[in-house]
Amino acid sequence: EAQVTQNPRYLITVTGKKLTVTCSQNMNHEYMSWYRQDPGLGLRQIYYSMNVEVTDKGDVPEGYKVSRKEKRNFPLILESPSPNQTSLYFCASSRTSGGFTDTQYFGPGTRLTVL
Amino acid sequence: AQSVTQLDSQVPVFEEAPVELRCNYSSSVSVYLFWYVQYPNQGLQLLLKYLSGSTLVKGINGFEAEFNKSQTSFHLRKPSVHISDTAEYFCAVSHINTGNQFYFGTGTSLTVIP
Repeated sequence: EAQVTQNPRYLITVTGKKLTVTCSQNMNHEYMSWYRQDPGLGLRQIYYSMNVEVTDKGDVPEGYKVSRKEKRNFPLILESPSPNQTSLYFCASSRTSGGFTDTQYFGPGTRLTVL
Repeated sequence: AQSVTQLDSQVPVFEEAPVELRCNYSSSVSVYLFWYVQYPNQGLQLLLKYLSGSTLVKGINGFEAEFNKSQTSFHLRKPSVHISDTAEYFCAVSHINTGNQFYFGTGTSLTVIP
């Protein structure tokens, strides 16, 4: 089954404790992206990646890191989480054609709470 | 700067009635346009998209949208809604010259009333 998986689905942590949210896709998509969803703000793009070793900032990259060492994986790293990073996080992937990113396929989401 | 405005945060509608969810965008360059739906406790999935060609786009589950370049709008419509259409709907844009960074609206919560 074609899918985007995220782990963990739920996470409660404390301020300053480094964490990683994993994202994996089995569709051989070149493009992967991370979003955060907050009430009243919709989805905001954190980082995206066009391919292995190629990453770019989205609208809200502060406080986050990403890496793309393999095509299927795109982990999101919070080196020193703060309460304002409490949110629902989505990973997405897409095929690209001529540099254009088509339909994105979203994971089920990771609900993060930073105390 | 790119922005996407969904004018209605909540839209209640009776079952079998028509519905329109509004989306406007601001951009100085040409864009691609998308509507995604999010059912409770799930990720987003694509409803429909406008890339080029006919400005009237048909999607899944009987939804359609019309791209209006002069009004910079991409409103979503369905002639007769069903209970199962209750969900959050997001409009999104990307720029034709880059096509890789996405901007989403704040979402419209559609509630279908029996």
